[in-house]
Amino acid sequence: GAVVSQHPSRVICKSGTSVKIECRSLDFQATTMFWYRQFPKKSLMLMATSNEGSKATYEQGVEKDKFLINHASLTLSTLTVTSAHPEDSSFYICSARDSSGRLTSSSYEQYFGPGTRLTVT
Amino acid sequence: GIQVEQSPPDLILQEGANSTLRCNFSDSVNNLQWFHQNPWGQLINLFYIPSGTKQNGRLSATTVATERYSLLYISSSQTTDSGVYFCAVGFSGGYNKLIFGAGTRLAVHP
Repeated sequence: GAVVSQHPSRVICKSGTSVKIECRSLDFQATTMFWYRQFPKKSLMLMATSNEGSKATYEQGVEKDKFLINHASLTLSTLTVTSAHPEDSSFYICSARDSSGRLTSSSYEQYFGPGTRLTVT
Repeated sequence: GIQVEQSPPDLILQEGANSTLRCNFSDSVNNLQWFHQNPWGQLINLFYIPSGTKQNGRLSATTVATERYSLLYISSSQTTDSGVYFCAVGFSGGYNKLIFGAGTRLAVHP
């Protein structure tokens, strides 16, 4: 139980284009999902909190207009990197909480997707 | 903001050895999780342990919330244990966000 998927796992795009990454909770409902970014050999940095049915909450320093987040259902959140540039190349990881706490130890516990490696050329 | 410090930053072991990884945090927490990030980047949940002690096979963890630290024990290490171990904490008023430590990079040699 408590499985989170991401799609695509790897994407290469040209500078100036937009890329959409999907994060799905497969066997539980998640009113809250989180998006992280990880640079090589570094830790995870939280970018934003995605709330179902409402606007995302962005961390300080994260550009809202560049990283668009939509949480349209209880099992799906999307991150769109708009007008991507080489400096946006990174590993993007999402996580989700089982809002009901039915499948996991606690409704606080987060489960992570396998990540999406974005390369902008 | 809340600080999370992990030690040691790097650890090299021979197969079969035991190790202890430490996570210190600067404030009261309502969530503490240990993860193993495999070579493909997947974060694997090891423990959800805001307090107390848990064991799962060769791994165990203890969190002493009053003293603001957590320990992850790996016994009889195997080469497949290699990777990065992260501690992450969530705190009251933090909207369920997780703050990650810098990680401990473990290499287990045969």
